[in-house]
Amino acid sequence: KQEVTQIPAALSVPEGENLVLNCSFTDSAIYNLQWFRQDPGKGLTSLLLIQSSQREQTSGRLNASLDKSSGRSTLYIAASQPGDSATYLCAVDISGGGADGLTFGKGTHLIIQP
Amino acid sequence: DTGVSQDPRHKITKRGQNVTFRCDPISEHNRLYWYRQTLGQGPEFLTYFQNEAQLEKSRLLSDRFSAERPKGSFSTLEIQRTEQGDSAMYLCASSLGPPDYGYTFGSGTRLTVV
Repeated sequence: KQEVTQIPAALSVPEGENLVLNCSFTDSAIYNLQWFRQDPGKGLTSLLLIQSSQREQTSGRLNASLDKSSGRSTLYIAASQPGDSATYLCAVDISGGGADGLTFGKGTHLIIQP
Repeated sequence: DTGVSQDPRHKITKRGQNVTFRCDPISEHNRLYWYRQTLGQGPEFLTYFQNEAQLEKSRLLSDRFSAERPKGSFSTLEIQRTEQGDSAMYLCASSLGPPDYGYTFGSGTRLTVV
């Protein structure tokens, strides 16, 4: 059974710092990995999607990497801002969009101090 | 593209009542998923439709839970005889078909059973 773990569970840093969020998964047979952001009481906003054949994806100040063989992904946030405060969720797709849906970690709760 | 819409945003119900939630996916997305998220946890996959066919429902939490997608467009999730343990955020997602395409989530329906 696929399990996804996110470390740290919570993180608080001053504004302007660069930071790294970690995600690990137990079964390397994934189709893709997706990072999401969730604001309190809200739904999920997709940040980055990495295909299993890719090593990284970038969007603005965000960079996500994938090492499928070791079962790891990182989300790098550059020059953090208070508006980045949210919970960040990592999810893997093991069935190519089919009967298993996405398997999520519990998330990293991020606070950026002004 | 107006995104994935979910209705209602919030629902408070008394224990034992039936509730129904609606999800309108992105119009061209043929795949639709339901998830449940409890406090401090990542979303948990419940069920999956491709067009109007429900291809996975074994992960629905009990026989009190059912879902439909009658014409391959909107979907409903019904919970019968609600229990306090059903209190959670219920999220809907749609997709064109991973792994090339990621998932787009709605804002969710927050259910409180009193």
